[in-house]
Amino acid sequence: QKEVEQNSGPLSVPEGAIASLNCTYSDRGSQSFFWYRQYSGKSPELIMSIYSNGDKEDGRFTAQLNKASQYVSLLIRDSQPSDSATYLCAVMGGGGSEKLVFGKGTKLTVNP
Amino acid sequence: NAGVMQNPRHLVRRRGQEARLRCSPMKGHSHVYWYRQLPEEGLKFMVYLQKENIIDESGMPKERFSAEFPKEGPSILRIQQVVRGDSAAYFCASSPQGMGYTDTQYFGPGTRLTVL
Repeated sequence: QKEVEQNSGPLSVPEGAIASLNCTYSDRGSQSFFWYRQYSGKSPELIMSIYSNGDKEDGRFTAQLNKASQYVSLLIRDSQPSDSATYLCAVMGGGGSEKLVFGKGTKLTVNP
Repeated sequence: NAGVMQNPRHLVRRRGQEARLRCSPMKGHSHVYWYRQLPEEGLKFMVYLQKENIIDESGMPKERFSAEFPKEGPSILRIQQVVRGDSAAYFCASSPQGMGYTDTQYFGPGTRLTVL
């Protein structure tokens, strides 16, 4: 069973702080990793994709990937109340599979 | 540039009825994926389709569920004889053609199915 694990939270940070979200995955053959944001009652919205070991930055967001440790993370700098949402880690499996395996998500609350 | 479209957005059915959910991918996208999100649960893959072909249906329940993506028109997820446990949000995603493992899936607004 290929799994993606996330801390369910809730994670609470003050406005302006750095929020750190973590994810581990079981399939060593996985090649593609994604972070989606989902507001309550809404659909997942893509924030970042990462395919290679290391860091990838996009504005206030930085994704980090370590394939040896089977670990992917998302850092949100200068957190804003509008960042309050559930963050979903998704992994595309190896072996040519194109389906995404999602974690259950981490609920983030940014307090003004 | 229209995104992924799904309809209806909300669907109410009584037990034993059929539910039909529709998905039109983003312009230029030829791959369609269906996911289900049960209350307080994560998103679960159901099926992956290209035009006129089911590529991966490993997440589909064995009975009552079917999917198609015809040459013309939207992709359809069909649930026959619905039961209360089918109540969930059903999301469709689409991706461009031929990008392999760097393909990115973009999600539609979802259909929220309630079975009474």
